[in-house]
Amino acid sequence: RKEVEQDPGPFNVPEGATVAFNCTYSNSASQSFFWYRQDCRKEPKLLMSVYSSGNEDGRFTAQLNRASQYISLLIRDSKLSDSATYLCVVNAGGGADGLTFGKGTHLIIQP
Amino acid sequence: GAVVSQHPSWVICKSGTSVKIECRSLDFQATTMFWYRQFPKQSLMLMATSNEGSKATYEQGVEKDKFLINHASLTLSTLTVTSAHPEDSSFYICSASRGGPGTDTQYFGPGTRLTVL
Repeated sequence: RKEVEQDPGPFNVPEGATVAFNCTYSNSASQSFFWYRQDCRKEPKLLMSVYSSGNEDGRFTAQLNRASQYISLLIRDSKLSDSATYLCVVNAGGGADGLTFGKGTHLIIQP
Repeated sequence: GAVVSQHPSWVICKSGTSVKIECRSLDFQATTMFWYRQFPKQSLMLMATSNEGSKATYEQGVEKDKFLINHASLTLSTLTVTSAHPEDSSFYICSASRGGPGTDTQYFGPGTRLTVL
């Protein structure tokens, strides 16, 4: 089983719609969780950290389910600029350890 | 704050040559730096973790003699791809962390696209 699994998509979604995708992780000892965004041929950029209590940042909501070992990202009122690959990222350690990246979910917002 | 630069942005070289990539934290001291590699349509894969002043820790399957990492200061780490071959063509990305418990945020450089002919 892969350490971090995501549906690669692509998800084709009309502008203004709400879209959500999940990610599962295999290491139950994982302590930190993140969603990164990566545009084509660019470096990944931190979108948001995922806290146990869930967190919201504008149109983006992230949730963590430790029992089922998955995290989710919900995007409301999607914009054309949201088109990107969304990477689920897990840090198994408690400090500055290397991150484990999922392959990413490709999202395309259509006008 | 927390800007990481990487040079060069892209490089094309002949097979058998060595290529050095620099990663710099511009406005903070990076106790730990990481090197990742990403092949087309693949996820980023951690290659190695380097702490300032000590030897890098390589992930399984990454040849330490081929990918030389030097973390000489708190703001600079270099990755040298020695005797590069076409299969080494990839997108190499570094990241930097201030390090320590609870400070696991990593700041990524813009990446270096290496093409070996």
